[in-house]
Amino acid sequence: DTEVTQTPKHLVMGMTNKKSLKCEQHMGHRAMYWYKQKAKKPPELMFVYSYEKLSINESVPSRFSPECPNSSLLNLHLHALQPEDSALYLCASSQDPGQGRNTIYFGEGSWLTVV
Amino acid sequence: AQKITQTQPGMFVQEKEAVTLDCTYDTSDQSYGLFWYKQPSSGEMIFLIYQGSYDEQNATEGRYSLNFQKARKSANLVISASQLGDSAMYFCAMREGGSSNTGKLIFGQGTTLQVKP
Repeated sequence: DTEVTQTPKHLVMGMTNKKSLKCEQHMGHRAMYWYKQKAKKPPELMFVYSYEKLSINESVPSRFSPECPNSSLLNLHLHALQPEDSALYLCASSQDPGQGRNTIYFGEGSWLTVV
Repeated sequence: AQKITQTQPGMFVQEKEAVTLDCTYDTSDQSYGLFWYKQPSSGEMIFLIYQGSYDEQNATEGRYSLNFQKARKSANLVISASQLGDSAMYFCAMREGGSSNTGKLIFGQGTTLQVKP
C-alpha cells in the first residue's frame, strides 16, 4: 500500500468552482511534488516543494495554486479551471530532492474532471 | 537536454514467461538515477526499481531486474515469471543527481504490458 495518501480519489467540478486536492505523507520526507498526467501520456511535473518552500513551478497557470502547510501535507487549490485541465493529478514525495538516489514515491492519484 | 525513450508502445507476454521492456536515455550528466514505475489502470504509480549511474552492479528487486548498460545508455527492465497482475503501463524515468538535482523526473512515453493466461 502506498504511504502517500491523496484525497479525493475522484473530483468533478464546474469551471466556476473552487476545490482543493490534498496529499499527505508520514515518511518524514522533505520534498513533495505535484504531477499532472493526461490519458495515455507520461506524468508532467507541475510543482516541487523542498523543506516546505516552493522550489520549482513549471510555468503552471495561476488557476492552480499549491500550498504546503507543513512537511507532511501538500495541497493543490483549483479555481476557474478549464475542461482541458481534466487529468490525473499525482502527488509524490522523496526524502531529499538534492539526493539523486532518493526514491520518489507516488500516491494513488486524484482523477479530476472539469465540466 | 535529458530524454528518455521507450520504443515499445505495447507488448504481450505469456504468463510465467520473462519479458524485457526497453529504455534508452540521453543525458550529459555524469551523475543521474534511473527508475522504473508500474501504473495499473487504477492510476497509482508504483515504484519498482532504481539504478544509480555509479552503481557497478545491476539492480534487482524480487522478480524485477534492471539490465544497465551505461555505454549504450540503456536501462531495460526484466520481469521474470510474469503474472496476470503484471498487466499495466510501465514507465522508465530519469532524475539528475548532484547539486543540480531538483527532484524532477523525466519520463518516457511508457510501455503497455499485457500478460496472457
